[in-house]
Amino acid sequence: QQPVQSPQAVILREGEDAVINCSSSKALYSVHWYRQKHGEAPVFLMILLKGGEQKGHEKISASFNEKKQQSSLYLTASQLSYSGTYFCGTATNSGGYQKVTFGTGTKLQVIP
Amino acid sequence: NAGVTQTPKFRILKIGQSMTLQCTQDMNHNYMYWYRQDPGMGLKLIYYSVGAGITDKGEVPNGYNVSRSTTEDFPLRLELAAPSQTSVYFCASSYSLGQGRYGYTFGSGTRLTVV
Repeated sequence: QQPVQSPQAVILREGEDAVINCSSSKALYSVHWYRQKHGEAPVFLMILLKGGEQKGHEKISASFNEKKQQSSLYLTASQLSYSGTYFCGTATNSGGYQKVTFGTGTKLQVIP
Repeated sequence: NAGVTQTPKFRILKIGQSMTLQCTQDMNHNYMYWYRQDPGMGLKLIYYSVGAGITDKGEVPNGYNVSRSTTEDFPLRLELAAPSQTSVYFCASSYSLGQGRYGYTFGSGTRLTVV
């Protein structure tokens, strides 16, 4: 079943912060985060494994709460380059191929 | 290192026609995938492969076929194109980051329109 992302869309001014949430109805093994710019392929940002970990990528970080089956992506001091659609992807097992189910995306627009 | 290469980038098919979307990766990744992305939607898994000679269905396999004769190539075949197959198709491969972690590398996509 597809994870649910919120919000569906958000507009930020440069320098503002944002949080994107991803929820699943199933027990999760891992959560992936990707960014896709218009007309381009998704780009891998990070993966979090169960265990409540947090990860960071420049000023973008994420947390994973396996008990709540939720992950959140934090964008700090947003830059124009952060604009795009953010997808979470969830995997329910630790199979070597990590079959991932993607959410419907959160469209983020950063304006000057 | 080219990564994941998809061809063609664009294609228009008539209903009932057939075509093959090509996907090649030069990273020696065992795991490869085909996804479709409809406008404003997320990615849905069509087929995947865990190695040469091994393929399996994903969420939306109807109307498609795949083969994996080599590690590098994972073509997707549409036998009788239907308007419902109008979409952007992404091929991807996954790689180990160690400690049970995997990342995905996507190709640039094929935009297919069936009329």
